[in-house]
Amino acid sequence: TQLLEQSPQFLSIQEGENLTVYCNSSSVFSSLQWYRQEPGEGPVLLVTVVTGGEVKKLKRLTFQFGDARKDSSLHITAAQPGDTGLYLCAGSNTGKLIFGQGTTLQVKP
Amino acid sequence: NAGVTQTPKFQVLKTGQSMTLQCAQDMNHNSMYWYRQDPGMGLRLIYYSASEGTTDKGEVPNGYNVSRLNKREFSLRLESAAPSQTSVYFCASSVMGSGNTIYFGEGSWLTVV
Repeated sequence: TQLLEQSPQFLSIQEGENLTVYCNSSSVFSSLQWYRQEPGEGPVLLVTVVTGGEVKKLKRLTFQFGDARKDSSLHITAAQPGDTGLYLCAGSNTGKLIFGQGTTLQVKP
Repeated sequence: NAGVTQTPKFQVLKTGQSMTLQCAQDMNHNSMYWYRQDPGMGLRLIYYSASEGTTDKGEVPNGYNVSRLNKREFSLRLESAAPSQTSVYFCASSVMGSGNTIYFGEGSWLTVV
């Protein structure tokens, strides 16, 4: 069974702070994706990383795929209230997409 | 272009009743998926269909059946609902395989009493 462990599960910070969310597994994935989900809606893809060591930036969000393709991180710089939501990592292998349990982020004004 | 559409949005069932969740996508995607989402457990794959005519079990298939009716439609059936199946169900689709962007429906809230 491929498991993806996300940490922390909950994070409450003040506007302007930086934060990092981690996604770890003992399995190797061919690609890893990060999604953001708002209440009452389905997850929406933020980024896909496919190469070990790859770093992608999306405005204030930086995503990194581990060299061994077993882990990933999401770093948010100067968080804003609009960043509030559930962040999910998902690893792809053998045709299936397996999700971590998610990190609930609350950014207070 | 509606994307992924799933129905119903809300449903309350009694234990032992059966029901089918319907899902359709208009993006000409090959692959379709059914997930359930429970607090603290992320999204767990129930069944997926890599292409029309094929279906495979995911992480938590017990108590569910699926039908890939055609390229557009992928339904999820609960034959005898149990309280443990109370959850939010998401249908999703992608061009081919899960390495591509997966697009999710808005979810179906199911309560089994």
